[in-house]
Amino acid sequence: GIQVEQSPPDLILQEGANSTLRCNFSDSVNNLQWFHQNPWGQLINLFYIPSGTKQNGRLSATTVATERYSLLYISSSQTTDSGVYFCAVERRGNTGKLIFGQGTTLQVKP
Amino acid sequence: SAVISQKPSRDICQRGTSLTIQCQVDSQVTMMFWYRQQPGQSLTLIATANQGSEATYESGFVIDKFPISRPNLTFSTLTVSNMSPEDSSIYLCSVAQLTNYGYTFGSGTRLTVV
Repeated sequence: GIQVEQSPPDLILQEGANSTLRCNFSDSVNNLQWFHQNPWGQLINLFYIPSGTKQNGRLSATTVATERYSLLYISSSQTTDSGVYFCAVERRGNTGKLIFGQGTTLQVKP
Repeated sequence: SAVISQKPSRDICQRGTSLTIQCQVDSQVTMMFWYRQQPGQSLTLIATANQGSEATYESGFVIDKFPISRPNLTFSTLTVSNMSPEDSSIYLCSVAQLTNYGYTFGSGTRLTVV
C-alpha cells in the first residue's frame, strides 16, 4: 500500500518562529490533506491540497504531486499552534480510504 | 463544509460492556467513515458506513466487534462491543466532500476502558 512519511516527528519552537513540515508519499494520489489535532483530540482540516499552493492566514501549503511531496509552512508561530499535524492521502483509484502519516508533534513555547 | 456532531465526547466504560457512538451530519452525504486512533498513534480506518447495506470493514476489523449502522444519509453509529482495555482509543467519524473540502472529521469520542 501507499506509504506516507512525515518529518520531523517532533518540533519545538519559540513563539514567533517559522517552521516547515514535510510529507512524502509513495504513489499517485487523488487527495492530500493537512490536519491539526489539538490537545483535546479534535482533528481540524487545514488544507485540502492535492496539488498547488494555498494560504490561510499564517499557514500555507504546497503540494508537488509529480514529485510526491507536500510542505506545510507555519509562520509567526503561536502557542495555540501546538499539537499534532497530520498529512493524509487518498491513493488514486482508491476513493474512500485516507492513509495518515505518523504526524509531527509541535510544541510552541511562550 | 459539512458540520458533524459526534457523541459522546468521552466515556469511561467497564470491560465487557459495549458503547455506541453516534455521528450526525448537517447535510446528506454519500460516504461516511469510522476511524480509530490508539494512544500516541495515527488514525486507522475501521470501516466505510454504507447507507442501506452492510458496512465495509478494513483488514483487522470485524463486524462482531464493531457493528455499524447507517439508516440514512445523515446519520451513523459505531458500537464497540465486549470492550477490553486495548479498545481505549479516540474514535472519529468522517464524511467526504471531495470537490472542495476533502474529508471532514467529527470531534471524536475519547474512550477509556477500565
